Amino acid sequence: DAGVTQSPTHLIKTRGQQVTLRCSPKSGHDTVSWYQQALGQGPQFIFQYYEEEERQRGNFPDRFSGHQFPNYSSELNVNALLLGDSALYLCASSREGTQYFGPGTRLTVL
Amino acid sequence: GENVEQHPSTLSVQEGDSAVIKCTYSDSASNYFPWYKQELGKRPQLIIDIRSNVGEKKDQRIAVTLNKTAKHFSLHITETQPEDSAVYFCATVPAGSYQLTFGKGTKLSVIP
Repeated sequence: DAGVTQSPTHLIKTRGQQVTLRCSPKSGHDTVSWYQQALGQGPQFIFQYYEEEERQRGNFPDRFSGHQFPNYSSELNVNALLLGDSALYLCASSREGTQYFGPGTRLTVL
Repeated sequence: GENVEQHPSTLSVQEGDSAVIKCTYSDSASNYFPWYKQELGKRPQLIIDIRSNVGEKKDQRIAVTLNKTAKHFSLHITETQPEDSAVYFCATVPAGSYQLTFGKGTKLSVIP
């Protein structure tokens, strides 16, 4: 049984560029949440997707957007990258409750 | 919104001793309280969780207690081992919400 997977593992971008991160949920899960984890901090909620729609959003600007596909996989898009967007981006999948995390994508913005 | 405070930020214990990490939360509507363990460079891993209708839950060397009146919950690890060394995060989910709100984490070091 495959767990939550994310791609790519690492990514380096420059300011102003755009990035797309991908997440495949654990088998049987239909909900995907995205979190940003800065170094030395706890994860911060970006948004959650369920039934291909954004169900709840955290305190992040519109530069952060997402999508969920019919197979429940999800993408996180970040436009106009800032230095402060450098972080570990985690997705978590769930089905009616407990969230299980993927290994994350380490984004570095130069 | 929900605010979660976690203490201590760092904790060192001798192997075999117990470790206790405490979290307080602000939203009395919170009804789900998971704990995650994150080793360096790895994903947060769920180790135990508790719901608001339960006061205590145990799983081998790990236990979580919840005091809804005081709005705090604690993680207890007994007979600590070097492989327990990691950063531990508490989190809450208010009723009607899907968002995990995390504490800032506790770095636990178990000294052999």
